[in-house]
Amino acid sequence: GENVEQHPSTLSVQEGDSAVIKCTYSDSASNYFPWYKQELGKRPQLIIDIRSNVGEKKDQRIAVTLNKTAKHFSLHITETQPEDSAVYFCAASKIRGANNLFFGTGTRLTVIP
Amino acid sequence: KAGVTQTPRYLIKTRGQQVTLSCSPISGHRSVSWYQQTPGQGLQFLFEYFSETQRNKGNFPGRFSGRQFSNSRSEMNVSTLELGDSALYLCASSPGTNNEQFFGPGTRLTVL
Repeated sequence: GENVEQHPSTLSVQEGDSAVIKCTYSDSASNYFPWYKQELGKRPQLIIDIRSNVGEKKDQRIAVTLNKTAKHFSLHITETQPEDSAVYFCAASKIRGANNLFFGTGTRLTVIP
Repeated sequence: KAGVTQTPRYLIKTRGQQVTLSCSPISGHRSVSWYQQTPGQGLQFLFEYFSETQRNKGNFPGRFSGRQFSNSRSEMNVSTLELGDSALYLCASSPGTNNEQFFGPGTRLTVL
C-alpha cells in the first residue's frame, strides 16, 4: 500500500517568515495530494490540494509543489501569521477508485509573534 | 449546506463492550470514509462506503465494521473494545471519486 512520510514533525517560525513542509510517497499510482490543517480540538480542514497533472498550485499565501518523478510534494506558507499555528497533514490518494487518503504523520507549526 | 455531523461527540466505554458511532454527510454526498486518529499512529483509513456499498477497507481487524444507509448516513461499529481503540474517530464525506473530503468534528472514544 501507499506510505507517506512527512518532515519536519515540528516547525517554529517567526511571524512573517515562510514555512515549508515536505512529504514523500511510495505508490507511483497516487495522483491526488491534499493538505489538511488541524487546529487543536478541531476537525482537519482542507487548505489546498494538487493533482498529478499539475506541478504547482497557489492560493494566496499557500502553495503546493509536486515532483512526480521524485515522488515528493511540499507545502509552502509565506508571510506566516499566528493563526497559521496548527498541525498540518499531507495525504496521498488515487483519483480513480475509493476515497481513501493515506496521511503523513503531521507537522506541528508554531508561528511566534 | 450543513457540514458533516457526527454523534455522539464523546463516549466512554469499558473493555469488552461494543460501540456504534454515527456520521451524517453533507447533503448530496454519497461517499463516507472513516478514519481513526491517535497520537501514536496518526490518521489511519478504516473504510469507505459509497451508495450503501463498502468500496474499500483499511488494515483494521474485523471488530471494526460499518454500514451506510440509503440516505448516505453511515454508522461505524466496534465490538469487543480494547484499550488501544481509544481514539478520535473521524468521518469524511465526498460527492464521490475525484473529490475532496470534508471531515466531521469526530467522536472521541475512551476505553477504560
